[in-house]
Amino acid sequence: ILNVEQSPQSLHVQEGDSTNFTCSFPSSNFYALHWYRWETAKSPEALFVMTLNGDEKKKGRISATLNTKEGYSYLYIKGSQPEDSATYLCAFGTSYGKLTFGQGTILTVHP
Amino acid sequence: NAGVTQTPKFRVLKTGQSMTLLCAQDMNHEYMYWYRQDPGMGLRLIHYSVGEGTTAKGEVPDGYNVSRLKKQNFLLGLESAAPSQTSVYFCASSYEGPSGAQHFGDGTRLSIL
Repeated sequence: ILNVEQSPQSLHVQEGDSTNFTCSFPSSNFYALHWYRWETAKSPEALFVMTLNGDEKKKGRISATLNTKEGYSYLYIKGSQPEDSATYLCAFGTSYGKLTFGQGTILTVHP
Repeated sequence: NAGVTQTPKFRVLKTGQSMTLLCAQDMNHEYMYWYRQDPGMGLRLIHYSVGEGTTAKGEVPDGYNVSRLKKQNFLLGLESAAPSQTSVYFCASSYEGPSGAQHFGDGTRLSIL
Protein backbone atom coordinates (compact mmCIF):
# COMPACT_ATOMS: atom_id res chain seq x y z
CA ILE A 1 0.00 0.00 0.00
CA LEU A 2 1.45 3.35 -1.07
CA ASN A 3 1.79 6.03 1.56
CA VAL A 4 0.48 9.44 0.54
CA GLU A 5 0.47 11.94 3.38
CA GLN A 6 -1.01 15.42 3.51
CA SER A 7 -0.34 18.13 6.04
CA PRO A 8 -1.78 19.82 7.87
CA GLN A 9 -4.96 17.79 8.44
CA SER A 10 -6.95 20.99 8.89
CA LEU A 11 -6.33 24.68 8.64
CA HIS A 12 -8.27 27.78 9.66
CA VAL A 13 -7.32 31.09 8.03
CA GLN A 14 -8.80 34.55 7.76
CA GLU A 15 -10.14 35.96 4.52
CA GLY A 16 -7.27 37.48 2.56
CA ASP A 17 -4.58 35.23 4.07
CA SER A 18 -2.37 33.20 1.79
CA THR A 19 -1.82 29.57 2.69
CA ASN A 20 -0.20 26.38 1.49
CA PHE A 21 -0.49 22.63 2.03
CA THR A 22 1.90 19.76 1.53
CA CYS A 23 1.50 16.36 -0.12
CA SER A 24 4.24 13.74 0.40
CA PHE A 25 4.41 10.64 -1.79
CA PRO A 26 6.83 7.84 -2.71
CA SER A 27 9.68 9.05 -4.91
CA SER A 28 9.83 5.75 -6.83
CA ASN A 29 7.50 4.60 -9.65
CA PHE A 30 6.13 8.12 -10.04
CA TYR A 31 3.72 8.73 -12.92
CA ALA A 32 1.51 11.64 -11.91
CA LEU A 33 0.42 13.80 -8.98
CA HIS A 34 -3.14 15.11 -8.81
CA TRP A 35 -4.79 17.80 -6.70
CA TYR A 36 -8.56 17.86 -6.16
CA ARG A 37 -10.91 20.26 -4.44
CA TRP A 38 -13.81 18.68 -2.55
CA GLU A 39 -16.61 20.86 -1.26
CA THR A 40 -19.07 19.59 1.31
CA ALA A 41 -22.00 17.64 -0.22
CA LYS A 42 -20.35 17.64 -3.64
CA SER A 43 -17.94 15.35 -5.44
CA PRO A 44 -14.19 15.98 -5.88
CA GLU A 45 -13.18 18.23 -8.76
CA ALA A 46 -9.77 18.16 -10.38
CA LEU A 47 -7.53 21.18 -9.93
CA PHE A 48 -4.23 20.04 -11.39
CA VAL A 49 -2.47 17.00 -12.80
CA MET A 50 1.32 17.20 -12.85
CA THR A 51 3.63 14.66 -14.44
CA LEU A 52 7.11 16.22 -14.66
CA ASN A 53 9.58 17.10 -11.94
CA GLY A 54 9.56 20.86 -11.51
CA ASP A 55 6.04 21.25 -12.92
CA GLU A 56 4.19 24.33 -11.78
CA LYS A 57 0.49 24.80 -12.46
CA LYS A 58 -1.74 27.80 -11.82
CA LYS A 59 -5.48 28.40 -11.91
CA GLY A 60 -6.53 31.84 -10.72
CA ARG A 61 -5.35 32.27 -7.12
CA ILE A 62 -4.40 28.61 -6.75
CA SER A 63 -1.07 27.17 -7.80
CA ALA A 64 0.89 23.96 -7.28
CA THR A 65 4.47 22.79 -7.54
CA LEU A 66 5.98 19.32 -7.87
CA ASN A 67 9.26 17.76 -6.74
CA THR A 68 9.33 14.10 -7.77
CA LYS A 69 12.93 13.49 -6.67
CA GLU A 70 12.17 14.25 -3.03
CA GLY A 71 8.51 13.20 -3.23
CA TYR A 72 6.48 16.28 -2.38
CA SER A 73 4.03 18.75 -3.87
CA TYR A 74 2.81 22.08 -2.53
CA LEU A 75 -0.58 23.67 -3.14
CA TYR A 76 -0.75 27.44 -2.64
CA ILE A 77 -3.82 29.64 -2.29
CA LYS A 78 -3.22 33.38 -2.52
CA GLY A 79 -5.66 35.73 -0.81
CA SER A 80 -8.02 33.05 0.54
CA GLN A 81 -11.75 33.65 0.18
CA PRO A 82 -14.62 31.96 2.11
CA GLU A 83 -15.57 30.10 -1.08
CA ASP A 84 -12.15 28.41 -0.99
CA SER A 85 -13.29 26.47 2.08
CA ALA A 86 -13.13 22.80 1.12
CA THR A 87 -11.10 19.65 1.52
CA TYR A 88 -8.05 19.55 -0.75
CA LEU A 89 -6.96 16.08 -1.80
CA CYS A 90 -3.77 15.00 -3.46
CA ALA A 91 -3.38 11.68 -5.25
CA PHE A 92 -0.31 9.77 -6.43
CA GLY A 93 -0.47 7.84 -9.68
CA THR A 94 1.72 4.98 -10.89
CA SER A 95 1.87 3.44 -14.35
CA TYR A 96 -0.55 0.70 -13.30
CA GLY A 97 -3.47 3.04 -13.89
CA LYS A 98 -4.68 3.75 -10.38
CA LEU A 99 -4.41 6.62 -7.94
CA THR A 100 -3.72 6.53 -4.21
CA PHE A 101 -5.31 9.45 -2.38
CA GLY A 102 -4.11 11.23 0.72
CA GLN A 103 -6.53 11.90 3.55
CA GLY A 104 -6.89 15.55 2.61
CA THR A 105 -6.40 18.96 4.16
CA ILE A 106 -9.59 20.64 5.39
CA LEU A 107 -9.42 24.38 4.78
CA THR A 108 -11.80 26.79 6.50
CA VAL A 109 -11.62 30.45 5.50
CA HIS A 110 -13.26 32.80 7.99
CA PRO A 111 -14.78 36.09 6.74
CA ASN B 1 -24.02 17.11 -20.10
CA ALA B 2 -24.29 14.10 -17.74
CA GLY B 3 -20.62 13.19 -17.14
CA VAL B 4 -20.53 10.42 -14.53
CA THR B 5 -23.87 9.21 -13.19
CA GLN B 6 -24.28 6.92 -10.20
CA THR B 7 -27.44 5.06 -9.28
CA PRO B 8 -28.91 4.77 -6.75
CA LYS B 9 -28.04 7.86 -4.68
CA PHE B 10 -29.15 6.31 -1.38
CA ARG B 11 -29.85 2.78 -0.25
CA VAL B 12 -30.44 0.96 3.03
CA LEU B 13 -29.77 -2.76 3.12
CA LYS B 14 -30.01 -5.48 5.70
CA THR B 15 -26.99 -7.61 6.53
CA GLY B 16 -26.68 -10.44 4.01
CA GLN B 17 -28.62 -8.75 1.21
CA SER B 18 -27.04 -8.19 -2.16
CA MET B 19 -27.11 -5.20 -4.46
CA THR B 20 -25.43 -3.64 -7.45
CA LEU B 21 -24.32 -0.03 -7.81
CA LEU B 22 -24.25 1.31 -11.34
CA CYS B 23 -21.83 3.86 -12.72
CA ALA B 24 -22.34 5.25 -16.20
CA GLN B 25 -20.16 7.75 -18.06
CA ASP B 26 -20.79 9.42 -21.39
CA MET B 27 -17.29 10.80 -22.01
CA ASN B 28 -15.86 7.74 -23.79
CA HIS B 29 -13.32 7.28 -21.00
CA GLU B 30 -11.24 4.12 -20.89
CA TYR B 31 -10.50 4.11 -17.16
CA MET B 32 -13.13 3.74 -14.47
CA TYR B 33 -12.81 3.46 -10.70
CA TRP B 34 -14.83 2.65 -7.60
CA TYR B 35 -13.86 4.27 -4.28
CA ARG B 36 -15.30 4.24 -0.83
CA GLN B 37 -15.13 7.20 1.52
CA ASP B 38 -15.19 6.74 5.26
CA PRO B 39 -14.62 9.35 8.00
CA GLY B 40 -10.92 9.89 8.59
CA MET B 41 -9.97 7.43 5.83
CA GLY B 42 -10.09 9.57 2.71
CA LEU B 43 -10.89 7.91 -0.62
CA ARG B 44 -9.87 4.26 -0.87
CA LEU B 45 -9.83 2.40 -4.17
CA ILE B 46 -11.99 -0.74 -4.28
CA HIS B 47 -11.63 -1.89 -7.89
CA TYR B 48 -10.78 -0.27 -11.16
CA SER B 49 -10.86 -0.95 -14.90
CA VAL B 50 -8.43 0.11 -17.61
CA GLY B 51 -10.83 -0.69 -20.44
CA GLU B 52 -13.92 -2.62 -21.51
CA GLY B 53 -13.77 -6.20 -20.29
CA THR B 54 -10.97 -5.57 -17.77
CA THR B 55 -11.03 -5.21 -14.00
CA ALA B 56 -8.36 -5.06 -11.31
CA LYS B 57 -8.26 -4.99 -7.52
CA GLY B 58 -7.59 -1.81 -5.61
CA GLU B 59 -6.69 -1.23 -2.00
CA VAL B 60 -9.84 -2.64 -0.36
CA PRO B 61 -11.45 -5.20 -2.75
CA ASP B 62 -12.70 -7.80 -0.27
CA GLY B 63 -16.48 -8.26 -0.25
CA TYR B 64 -16.97 -6.54 -3.61
CA ASN B 65 -17.10 -7.65 -7.22
CA VAL B 66 -17.12 -5.56 -10.39
CA SER B 67 -17.87 -5.91 -14.07
CA ARG B 68 -17.15 -3.74 -17.12
CA LEU B 69 -19.11 -5.41 -19.91
CA LYS B 70 -19.65 -2.11 -21.71
CA LYS B 71 -17.16 0.71 -21.96
CA GLN B 72 -19.57 3.25 -20.52
CA ASN B 73 -20.69 1.21 -17.50
CA PHE B 74 -18.87 -0.02 -14.41
CA LEU B 75 -20.89 -2.08 -11.93
CA LEU B 76 -20.02 -2.63 -8.27
CA GLY B 77 -21.65 -5.59 -6.56
CA LEU B 78 -22.03 -6.52 -2.92
CA GLU B 79 -22.88 -10.22 -2.74
CA SER B 80 -23.61 -10.38 0.99
CA ALA B 81 -23.68 -6.94 2.56
CA ALA B 82 -22.01 -6.40 5.93
CA PRO B 83 -22.27 -3.42 8.32
CA SER B 84 -18.56 -2.69 7.63
CA GLN B 85 -19.58 -1.82 4.07
CA THR B 86 -21.65 1.14 5.24
CA SER B 87 -19.99 3.99 3.40
CA VAL B 88 -20.28 6.57 0.66
CA TYR B 89 -19.27 5.10 -2.69
CA PHE B 90 -17.85 7.22 -5.49
CA CYS B 91 -17.34 6.25 -9.08
CA ALA B 92 -14.84 8.08 -11.27
CA SER B 93 -13.59 7.91 -14.82
CA SER B 94 -10.63 9.30 -16.72
CA TYR B 95 -9.40 9.34 -20.30
CA GLU B 96 -5.69 8.96 -19.71
CA GLY B 97 -5.47 6.75 -16.66
CA PRO B 98 -3.07 8.01 -13.99
CA SER B 99 -2.09 11.11 -15.98
CA GLY B 100 -5.68 12.17 -16.67
CA ALA B 101 -7.91 14.06 -14.29
CA GLN B 102 -10.60 11.90 -12.75
CA HIS B 103 -14.25 12.89 -13.12
CA PHE B 104 -16.39 11.85 -10.17
CA GLY B 105 -20.04 10.97 -9.81
CA ASP B 106 -22.15 12.42 -7.02
CA GLY B 107 -21.77 9.38 -4.79
CA THR B 108 -24.02 6.66 -3.39
CA ARG B 109 -24.71 6.64 0.33
CA LEU B 110 -25.13 3.03 1.44
CA SER B 111 -26.19 1.94 4.92
CA ILE B 112 -26.08 -1.69 6.01
CA LEU B 113 -28.15 -2.50 9.08
